[in-house]
Amino acid sequence: SAVISQKPSRDICQRGTSLTIQCQVDSQVTMMFWYRQQPGQSLTLIATANQGSEATYESGFVIDKFPISRPNLTFSTLTVSNMSPEDSSIYLCSVWSGPYEQYFGPGTRLTVT
Amino acid sequence: GQQVMQIPQYQHVQEGEDFTTYCNSSTTLSNIQWYKQRPGGHPVFLIQLVKSGEVKKQKRLTFQFGEAKKNSSLHITATQTTDVGTYFCAGRAGGTSYGKLTFGQGTILTVHP
Repeated sequence: SAVISQKPSRDICQRGTSLTIQCQVDSQVTMMFWYRQQPGQSLTLIATANQGSEATYESGFVIDKFPISRPNLTFSTLTVSNMSPEDSSIYLCSVWSGPYEQYFGPGTRLTVT
Repeated sequence: GQQVMQIPQYQHVQEGEDFTTYCNSSTTLSNIQWYKQRPGGHPVFLIQLVKSGEVKKQKRLTFQFGEAKKNSSLHITATQTTDVGTYFCAGRAGGTSYGKLTFGQGTILTVHP
């Protein structure tokens, strides 16, 4: 199993500012992902965080808006840049090392005013 | 792109009644996973189904994967108040072995004591 921590757990931010969310895993994992879950909605994959290289973004998400770093096999950051109220959401870090389970962090609840 | 549809969106039951949620993919899946998210919590892995026609049971929960590997269901027998939460199916496209999951919209289960 993998234990995932995220910082911060929640934040209220002003429009136009940026927030960096940290994800720390207690063991080395093969793959790390960032998801977004808007209130009462399903989970949408933002990107796959690749160790030592640029993240792979899903359709509708771009690096300038959601820059991601993954310096090693246990840590990743997601930055939400130039925030607007539409970015208010829960951001979830997720990890997978095969063969089955994908683990999710507790999430970061972001409110943009 | 791949789409995963899940119904119903909401289900209200009396404690002791059965509950079923259905998941349908627009494309053939290599496997499907089910997650439970308690109110205010993060998704927690329940099970993965891989084989065509597979049926797995976990106590009162029965999971099925369709013969064509495009649909799945979760059935809970004799619901309890502890079953409250949102149940998500999540599929991996055919040929994809790593952790990129497409989530259904989820079914919110409410159990009245």
